[in-house]
Amino acid sequence: DAKTTQPPSMDCAEGRAANLPCNHSTISGNEYVYWYRQIHSQGPQYIIHGLKNNETNEMASLIITEDRKSSTLILPHATLRDTAVYYCIVRVGGYGQNFVFGPGTRLSVLP
Amino acid sequence: NAGVTQTPKFRVLKTGQSMTLLCAQDMNHEYMYWYRQDPGMGLRLIHYSVGEGTTAKGEVPDGYNVSRLKKQNFLLGLESAAPSQTSVYFCASSSTGTDRNSPLHFGNGTRLTVT
Repeated sequence: DAKTTQPPSMDCAEGRAANLPCNHSTISGNEYVYWYRQIHSQGPQYIIHGLKNNETNEMASLIITEDRKSSTLILPHATLRDTAVYYCIVRVGGYGQNFVFGPGTRLSVLP
Repeated sequence: NAGVTQTPKFRVLKTGQSMTLLCAQDMNHEYMYWYRQDPGMGLRLIHYSVGEGTTAKGEVPDGYNVSRLKKQNFLLGLESAAPSQTSVYFCASSSTGTDRNSPLHFGNGTRLTVT
């Protein structure tokens, strides 16, 4: 099962782009990369996912390297409300949709 | 469209008591999950269900039971609560298991304290 590695914490100035890295060197060819975030103690919120092409939606952009061994979540103009724990997840195989949540990256957006 | 709703939001139990946590989703999702989250940690999967009448064990199933009698509901039971089960419990659902694109939709959690 593919695992992910993220830095435990990062800071970002308000209004600047927040770039959150994730390593997933053992990812297999048909596994997707997902990003979620958890604000305070709320339920995790889906942000974006991708397979090998870069993806963008109204919340963020996802850049996946050509070898798919790492990815970066980009919040283009971070606000104080983006302060949260961000989880990078690679879907594991098997019966059912088992998402494995690691400790994530705690992003602090500073005024 | 309420999404995923968990009840209760908070509960305090004494050791040995039992309780059931209810999760309801109105998105017609086939898959449902129960996770627990302990302070400073990520989420760990307790049990999941791939459809009405079916359940399966996750990473940390001991001490819990689940039932999926109706597609929209997924119940998590603690038969004899222990202090180690003090945690925040999250329910999630997703639309299908064969389509690997389907993201999880989470409820806002049940905060359980066992004294």
